[in-house]
Amino acid sequence: EIVLTQSPGTLSLSPGERATLSCRASPSVSHHYLAWYQQKPGQVPRLLIYGTSNRFPGIPDRFSGSGSGTDFTLTITRVEPEDFAVYYCQQFGDSPFTFGPGTRLDI
Amino acid sequence: EVQVLESGGGLVQPGESLILSCAPSGFIFGDYSMSWVRQAPGRGLEWVSSISGNAGSTYYAAAVKGRFTISRDNSKNVLYLHMKSLRADDAAIYYCAKGTTYYYYNMDVWGQGTTVTVSS
Repeated sequence: EIVLTQSPGTLSLSPGERATLSCRASPSVSHHYLAWYQQKPGQVPRLLIYGTSNRFPGIPDRFSGSGSGTDFTLTITRVEPEDFAVYYCQQFGDSPFTFGPGTRLDI
Repeated sequence: EVQVLESGGGLVQPGESLILSCAPSGFIFGDYSMSWVRQAPGRGLEWVSSISGNAGSTYYAAAVKGRFTISRDNSKNVLYLHMKSLRADDAAIYYCAKGTTYYYYNMDVWGQGTTVTVSS
């Protein structure tokens, strides 16, 4: 089973700051099969990034993804008030497919 | 508009069975993989099961393997999750989600979820 570990568990920032969220895979996963989601309180998850670095249509360009193998990163260049949420990485390179535990982005 | 709508949740006793359904709209159902993801109150997302566009491949989380069965009827445009031997830790909101392609299992459209409660 590919285990995804996300850090930090909680990230406290102010609007305008840069957010760097980490997702580590053990063992490694192909970059084709790594995605990021955002979930705001009371809402369903939303796909942000697929294939490690591809923004889903409609996602602002302040969101970007990078990485390969075991280390993946979601970056928000300048955090906006509406970005405060929980972010999950997901892999489907090998079954069982898994989500990471999430990073909460707090004000 | 591309949407999916879950139904079938409810209150069941431990050991009982339940069938969840998901009705898609706005896209060619058989062209896309589908998945079930659950979320217990106050917890993170937990992947449950996925199925390829033609139902030729199915995948399960270890926690549900042997108890849950995912299926789809492309002629009727419906996705199912048959759940048996339900346990208290199966209680959650169950989301149906559409894959981005026939055999890719990242999820670009999510339903509002249906709630499963397991309690005696």
